Amino acid sequence: AQTVTQSQPEMSVQEAETVTLSCTYDTSENNYYLFWYKQPPSRQMILVIRQEAYKQQNATENRFSVNFQKAAKSFSLKISDSQLGDTAMYFCAFSVPSGNTPLVFGKGTRLSVIA
Amino acid sequence: NAGVTQTPKFQVLKTGQSMTLQCAQDMNHEYMSWYRQDPGMGLRLIHYSVGAGITDQGEVPNGYNVSRSTTEDFPLRLLSAAPSQTSVYFCASSPRSRWEKLFFGSGTQLSVL
Repeated sequence: AQTVTQSQPEMSVQEAETVTLSCTYDTSENNYYLFWYKQPPSRQMILVIRQEAYKQQNATENRFSVNFQKAAKSFSLKISDSQLGDTAMYFCAFSVPSGNTPLVFGKGTRLSVIA
Repeated sequence: NAGVTQTPKFQVLKTGQSMTLQCAQDMNHEYMSWYRQDPGMGLRLIHYSVGAGITDQGEVPNGYNVSRSTTEDFPLRLLSAAPSQTSVYFCASSPRSRWEKLFFGSGTQLSVL
């Protein structure tokens, strides 16, 4: 079974600084997708970034980028120039594009951006 | 476009009561799903559907029923509410599959007393 582990329950960062959230996963599959979702205090879940395992290039979306290490099964999220609006729960998720395997979420990291 | 609309936003039930959580999307998405979010547990899949007339179980289906009579609607039914079903419930959809970007509703906070 696929598992996703987020080892940092809580983190904080000063405004304008850079922070990295960790995520590791366990799978025997070779083709899969990885995601970071953000859940601000409003509770709305929003996709931050998506990575396809067969692509070696790390995905980026503006201030958000990932460090995808397939051999190490690691998928960390880097937030540059942190803003107060980045304060949220961040969930790492994993999906295999076959069968009935569900999208598997980690338990989340609560990030606080401090002014 | 409204996106994914969930109703109600909050609900309190007594043990043994039944109710339906509504979910509707106006993006013509084929894939729809229900998750529950519990503190320290992340999100867990309850049921999902890959198109009208097709549903399947996720990780934690017990105590819940779903149906998909139209592309737009995917209601979640609690048959006989139990305190263990106290949670925040999210409906999510995507154009075709769970490995695409999921669009989430704003959630339903359910308390079972």
